[in-house]
Amino acid sequence: GAVVSQHPSRVICKSGTSVKIECRSLDFQATTMFWYRQFPKQSLMLMATSNEGSKATYEQGVEKDKFLINHASLTLSTLTVTSAHPEDSSFYICSAPLRDREHTGELFFGEGSRLTVL
Amino acid sequence: AQSVTQLDSHVSVSEGTPVLLRCNYSSSYSPSLFWYVQHPNKGLQLLLKYTSAATLVKGINGFEAEFKKSETSFHLTKPSAHMSDAAEYFCVVRPTGYSSASKIIFGSGTRLSIRP
Repeated sequence: GAVVSQHPSRVICKSGTSVKIECRSLDFQATTMFWYRQFPKQSLMLMATSNEGSKATYEQGVEKDKFLINHASLTLSTLTVTSAHPEDSSFYICSAPLRDREHTGELFFGEGSRLTVL
Repeated sequence: AQSVTQLDSHVSVSEGTPVLLRCNYSSSYSPSLFWYVQHPNKGLQLLLKYTSAATLVKGINGFEAEFKKSETSFHLTKPSAHMSDAAEYFCVVRPTGYSSASKIIFGSGTRLSIRP
C-alpha cells in the first residue's frame, strides 16, 4: 500500500520560533497533499490543500502567513508554523491521494506530528 | 449539503462481543464512503471503502460495513472485538462528482473501548 511519512512525530518549541513539518509520499507521487489539524478528542479539520508547483489553497479562517505550505516536489510537502504560540499546539496530520486517483476520495495519511509550543 | 454523522461519540464493548459503530450520511449525489481507524497519536488507516460496487464491504481486521441507501447509513461492524481494536474510528464521505478530495467530510469520530 501507499505510504506517507511525516517528520518529526513530536516537536517542542519555544513561543515565537518557527517549526517545519515534512510530509513525504514514499512510494508514490502526489500532486496534491492535504494538511489537517486535530484538537484533542475532535475530528480532523482541513487547513489547506498543497499543490505541487503552485500555491496552496487555504481553508477559510486559516492564516496563510502563519501556516506556510510548500509543495516543492511530487513527493514532499512542508508545513511551517511561523512565530508559533501556545495556541498553535496541536496534532497536525497530512494526507495524499494517489496521483491520477484523486477522484476516488481514498487518502493515505501520515503518522501525524504533535506540536507543543511552550 | 453533504454531511456525515457518527451517532455515538464513545462505544464500549467487552472483548469477544460484537462491535457496531453507527454512521449516517447526507449527500446530494451517490457518495463514496470510508471508515478510517486512528490509534493514539497516530495517523489514520483505511479500514474499508464503499464506491458503488457491492453494498456489503469487507475491510481489514475483520471489519465490514453495509451501505444502505434507504437508510442513508454506513454502519461499521465486527463480529468479535479484540483488545487491539480500541481506537478512534472516523466515518468519511466523499460526494461523487467532485474532482477534489478537499470535499471529503470527516465525521466527529467514535472512540471504541474494549473491556477485558
